[in-house]
Amino acid sequence: EVQLVESGGRLVRPGGSLRLSCAGSGFDFNDHSMNWVRQAPGKGLESISYISRSSAYIHYADSVKGRFTVSRDNAKNSLFLQMSSLRAEDTAVYYCARIISGSDAFDIWGQGTMVTVSS
Amino acid sequence: DIQMTQSPSSLSASAGERVTITCRASQSISAFLNWYQQKPGKAPSLLIYAASNLQSGVPSRFSGSGSGTEFTLTISSLLPEDSATYYCQQTYSTPPHTFGPGTKLEIK
Repeated sequence: EVQLVESGGRLVRPGGSLRLSCAGSGFDFNDHSMNWVRQAPGKGLESISYISRSSAYIHYADSVKGRFTVSRDNAKNSLFLQMSSLRAEDTAVYYCARIISGSDAFDIWGQGTMVTVSS
Repeated sequence: DIQMTQSPSSLSASAGERVTITCRASQSISAFLNWYQQKPGKAPSLLIYAASNLQSGVPSRFSGSGSGTEFTLTISSLLPEDSATYYCQQTYSTPPHTFGPGTKLEIK
């Protein structure tokens, strides 16, 4: 079965750091670019980070640029999001998603991991 | 940055009805437009990619059309399980690719 499973979400204090992980299985992980999407409680979807298959191309939304770092380990079929200087507005469910070549649509999503930033 | 809008923001329709949701881009995005369905507490799922291509496993009552700046998602005959929020997404510009604000569909 093709799937993505996120982990690492928890309650963290403002200004703190957190590392999210996304494990892929059932497909050739290194054949796909990957993306992180977040969704604040009761809000819409926000695409926050993109990483190409070989990590040659990386992009961030302005809302997280300079604070979040995306990386991947293709040998371990894993995607990561290092989050620092966390703010209350970073509170959200964080999803990783697989990208289809060509259309760049997100065809496989993880179940999400909740990050709560609060004192 | 390319801005995406959707209309309506919410709608209520009866089972068996045909509904259309519109997505507009602030500039031409060719056919780089995708549609997702999200049910409460669940991850989004891909319905339509590249404006009009039905994702594998998605029922044929879902269809997409459009190009340039205006796109539509049509559900030809609503079922109760279609109650969800629907998002469009442009993948024309440099990532990260923006989503529309969503349309919440309620089945009466």
